[in-house]
Amino acid sequence: ETGVTQSPTHLIKTRGQQVTLRCSSQSGHNTVSWYQQALGQGPQFIFQYYREEENGRGNFPPRFSGLQFPNYSSELNVNALELDDSALYLCASSRGGTGAFGITDTQYFGPGTRLTVL
Amino acid sequence: AQSVTQLGSHVSVSEGALVLLRCNYSSSVPPYLFWYVQYPNQGLQLLLKYTTGATLVKGINGFEAEFKKSETSFHLTKPSAHMRDAAEYFCAVRANNAGNMLTFGGGTRLMVKP
Repeated sequence: ETGVTQSPTHLIKTRGQQVTLRCSSQSGHNTVSWYQQALGQGPQFIFQYYREEENGRGNFPPRFSGLQFPNYSSELNVNALELDDSALYLCASSRGGTGAFGITDTQYFGPGTRLTVL
Repeated sequence: AQSVTQLGSHVSVSEGALVLLRCNYSSSVPPYLFWYVQYPNQGLQLLLKYTTGATLVKGINGFEAEFKKSETSFHLTKPSAHMRDAAEYFCAVRANNAGNMLTFGGGTRLMVKP
């Protein structure tokens, strides 16, 4: 069974640029969630994708957007990068979606992408 | 809305000593509760979870946690610390009507002294 993978592992961008981060979900999982983890803090929920549609969003501006593909892999796009966007971006995959979730549904996290904005 | 508070951003114990990491939550509906561990430069690994049923939950690496509804707590314990337990630990809550969104605490860094 292949776990959650993310690419790239590290990325350096300058303020105002755009970035795309990628995530491959674990086999059998159809839901992908993205989290931002600033240095020294806990992860914060950005949004979730289920069957190629956004299914829940945290308190992040519209310049954070995403996609999910038919194979359930996902992309996180951030436009007009700001210095405060520097963080570890974590992707998590799980089974489930809208409506009744299985109570044993668990999110499995990838290793993250470290984004530095200069 | 739900929130999580982890008391103590840093906890230091001696090898072989009891580990106790504290987590209190608030949730307007019955919560699902999780503990994750993060080793340096890595993602999050699930230690254990509480959904329903038995309130004492056993996880990997000898960790366990007890859900206490009256105290809104879900503290993580391990009887005897090992050097390899040194890591960052995160408590998270998911309300059972909040889709799959996890709300995390700020984390507790566990240091283990030889």
